[in-house]
Amino acid sequence: DTAVSQTPKYLVTQMGNDKSIKCEQNLGHDTMYWYKQDSKKFLKIMFSYNNKELIINETVPNRFSPKSPDKAHLNLHINSLELGDSAVYFCASSHSGGTGELFFGEGSRLTVL
Amino acid sequence: AQSVTQLDSHVSVSEGTPVLLRCNYSSSYSPSLFWYVQHPNKGLQLLLKYTSAATLVKGINGFEAEFKKSETSFHLTKPSAHMSDAAEYFCVVTLYNNNDMRFGAGTRLTVKP
Repeated sequence: DTAVSQTPKYLVTQMGNDKSIKCEQNLGHDTMYWYKQDSKKFLKIMFSYNNKELIINETVPNRFSPKSPDKAHLNLHINSLELGDSAVYFCASSHSGGTGELFFGEGSRLTVL
Repeated sequence: AQSVTQLDSHVSVSEGTPVLLRCNYSSSYSPSLFWYVQHPNKGLQLLLKYTSAATLVKGINGFEAEFKKSETSFHLTKPSAHMSDAAEYFCVVTLYNNNDMRFGAGTRLTVKP
């Protein structure tokens, strides 16, 4: 059973399109995250939700909009895709009252042409 | 100001020799510190964590790390490298609470036969 699952795993699209990446966790965690990993492997937090409420919103273009329908899901919608959005996007979850260990999905590789 | 610095972007060792991956941090609070490993095309997996208990922390696959407050360091070591250890390693620090975690730039470990 996959603890944190993301779909799709690969996404190739044209500039200007809108796309979504979905994330689900079955660990019972109340906090979920989106991270962006660039081509140099640098990981940067984008958003964090706790019990469906946004708690971290880093400097991310407003073309990126997270949505958390419930605490087990955190989706990422991206409008008007740009070349620089090409990256691997990782979803993660954690228990807010715990030691902070993050559980990661396997990543979604987005390629914008 | 950067919260966590991994001092080497790339470390190369021979199989059977010791591994040292260096990490320095800065935090206004008593930090929690983590090391994660990322194998190619995979998500990140927790290796070990420090959360104000014993300063020498043992993790999976024979890795360990020592928290040194006076040096603000949390270096990762392993006595004998294995080919399967080749991966990207990330040092992570919590900033203000366990929901806000920042990643180092990563160290790529290469293991030569």
